[in-house]
Amino acid sequence: NAGVMQNPRHLVRRRGQEARLRCSPMKGHSHVYWYRQLPEEGLKFMVYLQKENIIDESGMPKERFSAEFPKEGPSILRIQQVVRGDSAAYFCASSPPTGGNSPLHFGNGTRLTVT
Amino acid sequence: KQEVTQIPAALSVPEGENLVLNCSFTDSAIYNLQWFRQDPGKGLTSLLLIQSSQREQTSGRLNASLDKSSGRSTLYIAASQPGDSATYLCAVRPSVNRGSQGNLIFGKGTKLSVKP
Repeated sequence: NAGVMQNPRHLVRRRGQEARLRCSPMKGHSHVYWYRQLPEEGLKFMVYLQKENIIDESGMPKERFSAEFPKEGPSILRIQQVVRGDSAAYFCASSPPTGGNSPLHFGNGTRLTVT
Repeated sequence: KQEVTQIPAALSVPEGENLVLNCSFTDSAIYNLQWFRQDPGKGLTSLLLIQSSQREQTSGRLNASLDKSSGRSTLYIAASQPGDSATYLCAVRPSVNRGSQGNLIFGKGTKLSVKP
């Protein structure tokens, strides 16, 4: 049973470009969560999605950031017009639909560098 | 606003020692608490999850305790090994009326180094 798969592992973008980060949850998991880890900072929650629904986006910046989890395919975190401050490790996690008592399973992250 | 603090920020011990990592949180209204391990350049591995009604959980050489009323959790590692070297993260899930189930609040971690 493959774990949470994130790609790419490393992504370099110039200021103003778009970044697309992909996450495939563990088999049988229908809940996906995105977190961001800035240098020397703890992980910060960004968004929680179920298939075709955004459940909680309270941690998402209001502009330039969006997330989706379509009926088919991976979850996508999209950052438009990237700036240097977006450089961070972005982690995706998933859990089964059994509720909040299940531990979150994390992927290895995508390290975004904005030059 | 829930805040999670981990002390110490870094710890270096010789192989074989027993050690304790500390985690404190400001709001006792939590649903559960998780301990994770993060290796450099990697994702997080879930170690132990303690429900708010539980006092401790054990897995192998690891034991995590929870004192919800005082806002504290400890992770005890017995007979430490060099392979235990990693950053250990504590995260709380707030109660249902304090946030959604995915909104974990993380501490900044304790970086553990076990010397052979």
